[in-house]
Amino acid sequence: KNEVEQSPQNLTAQEGEFITINCSYSVGISALHWLQQHPGGGIVSLFMLSSGKKKHGRLIATINIQEKHSSLHITASHPRDSAVYICAVSHMNYGGSQGNLIFGKGTKLSVKP
Amino acid sequence: NAGVTQTPKFRILKIGQSMTLQCTQDMNHNYMYWYRQDPGMGLKLIYYSVGAGITDKGEVPNGYNVSRSTTEDFPLRLELAAPSQTSVYFCASTWTRSYEQYFGPGTRLTVT
Repeated sequence: KNEVEQSPQNLTAQEGEFITINCSYSVGISALHWLQQHPGGGIVSLFMLSSGKKKHGRLIATINIQEKHSSLHITASHPRDSAVYICAVSHMNYGGSQGNLIFGKGTKLSVKP
Repeated sequence: NAGVTQTPKFRILKIGQSMTLQCTQDMNHNYMYWYRQDPGMGLKLIYYSVGAGITDKGEVPNGYNVSRSTTEDFPLRLELAAPSQTSVYFCASTWTRSYEQYFGPGTRLTVT
């Protein structure tokens, strides 16, 4: 079983819809990351969070440490939001390789005009 | 700042050939990483470095080697390329493990 699971794998939405992407993990973590991979391949970091909620523009990320679950929400979605969204976690213990990121397989989002 | 740069962007290798993927960052980051991304799979860590002169294996190191002689550069060496090494390779860097990582644009490698 993968340590980081994302759902759904693929998501198609109409422009303007509210979108939710989910991430569940099975290890103790120090932080959870949400990344965006553009259709051209580049990867950028959207959020890094260890508790609560963060907001940036139309993007909101939440995390529930007790339930080992995080969600990424996109409000008023737009075709330019079409990308692969990747969840990654860093282990709670920083020693050795434990602090390195473990990645989910990504959620491919397509927003239609 | 250029951020994290990678060269080349694309490369086709024949089985058994060798090559070096270059990665450079200009943000004075201590930590650098090499990942590979295969279709439908999450990014997998190949090698990482916590500072100049220090490297360590990640999850999938076989068939690869790295060096870190300077803070800025972290080249990835493929010896005796195999079809299983066909993938997209990303280099990333960060100040410490508790910060976000900055990714390079990727190198798409095909081994035939």
